[in-house]
Amino acid sequence: QVTLRESGPALVKPTQTLTLTCSVSGFSFSSPGTCVSWIRQPPGKALEWLARIDWDDERHYSTSLKTRLTISKDFSKDQVVLTMTNMDPVDTATYYCARIRIVRGLIPTYSYGMDVWGPGTTVIVSS
Amino acid sequence: QSVLTQPPSVSGTPGQRVTISCFGSNSNVGSNYVSWYQQLPGTAPKLLIFSTNQRPSGVPDRFSGSKSGTSASLAISGLRSDDEADYYCAAWDDSLSGAEVFGGGTKLIVL
Repeated sequence: QVTLRESGPALVKPTQTLTLTCSVSGFSFSSPGTCVSWIRQPPGKALEWLARIDWDDERHYSTSLKTRLTISKDFSKDQVVLTMTNMDPVDTATYYCARIRIVRGLIPTYSYGMDVWGPGTTVIVSS
Repeated sequence: QSVLTQPPSVSGTPGQRVTISCFGSNSNVGSNYVSWYQQLPGTAPKLLIFSTNQRPSGVPDRFSGSKSGTSASLAISGLRSDDEADYYCAAWDDSLSGAEVFGGGTKLIVL
């Protein structure tokens, strides 16, 4: 069974760095075509895509947040880690990770969509 | 401000057919596949449609997706009360170094 689960601090102070972990099971994020994305949702607002890391370590970031984000993989722990620097109260949100599988080399790149999501972890930014 | 534009809300009565639109541009909807997600209150989003018009196993055929140019649509037929949820479209955007973009979400109200 494919599962993802987010973990991290529930409360961070402004200007601090947030580190979130996405623990995966039931699949290998080194399998060709397999990627993991991070998405967030402020209370009462829309989904916002943050970053994606692909099986071959290719990385993509939200244009508006790329200077603050780093996504990486920890193969030994089957985890994908997202760090976000200089946290602000507007970053208060539920943060999700999701699996997405793609097929490169086609035009356009074929996508199977974000087919499995974690339950999300809520992060509040407050002093 | 979301990159993809969706109506804030749509409504319908049980048994009706409703559509939710998603407007983008040449760099996203116009040139890439669209996916749709359903989010029930207090839960994580669920994939409804991928590759513009494909349903994952387990998603009823009451849900269908389509695209024309830079706009995409999700249609829900035989509306049920438990379809009441938020719906989001998403697509890859080729501008700059590439990124996924979401719509602002549409609240479906079943009257």
